[in-house]
Amino acid sequence: AQSVTQPDIHITVSEGASLELRCNYSYGATPYLFWYVQSPGQGLQLLLKYFSGDTLVQGIKGFEAEFKRSQSSFNLRKPSVHWSDAAEYFCAVGPSGGYNKLIFGAGTRLAVHP
Amino acid sequence: DTAVSQTPKYLVTQMGNDKSIKCEQNLGHDTMYWYKQDSKKFLKIMFSYNNKELIINETVPNRFSPKSPDKAHLNLHINSLELGDSAVYFCASSPIGRGNEQFFGPGTRLTVL
Repeated sequence: AQSVTQPDIHITVSEGASLELRCNYSYGATPYLFWYVQSPGQGLQLLLKYFSGDTLVQGIKGFEAEFKRSQSSFNLRKPSVHWSDAAEYFCAVGPSGGYNKLIFGAGTRLAVHP
Repeated sequence: DTAVSQTPKYLVTQMGNDKSIKCEQNLGHDTMYWYKQDSKKFLKIMFSYNNKELIINETVPNRFSPKSPDKAHLNLHINSLELGDSAVYFCASSPIGRGNEQFFGPGTRLTVL
């Protein structure tokens, strides 16, 4: 069965520090992989997406992610975190079941210290 | 212009009541979804409609009934509300096709007392 694991429930970094959020997936074929961000009280916004091609994907807000098939991972990175990056981050894999169904990880809450 | 909108934003009600949440998208997408986010932030799909046809129906109690009057609207009606229904419900839409980005609404926080 398809699944997504985000091992870190909560991460705290200092403003200006680098960031890496981990995501591991289980999927039978070549997956679509997504990172979404949810700011407090808001809906989810897509940061970036991967399906094929260059395994290093650039997204919005200075984020990037690298697909590593051998490790079944799709980790999200940012070289220098801003206070406004504090939010909940969700990794997702799909599609599942023949439709555009996404399976989400449990999320990683990012706190940023000034 | 709001892409995916939901009403109401907050809904507080008593157990046993019936309530509806409305969703509209102005993106011209064919596919719409309902997700439930529980208190631990876990996000799970409930339903999906493609051009008014139900295509995904997860293991959801039949007290939940989605209705799509047209492809721009997907409403969620919940009968006989229970405490465990308290959650944030998100509507989303996407173009037809596998792997397309889903655009999410702002969510409706439902609290059942």
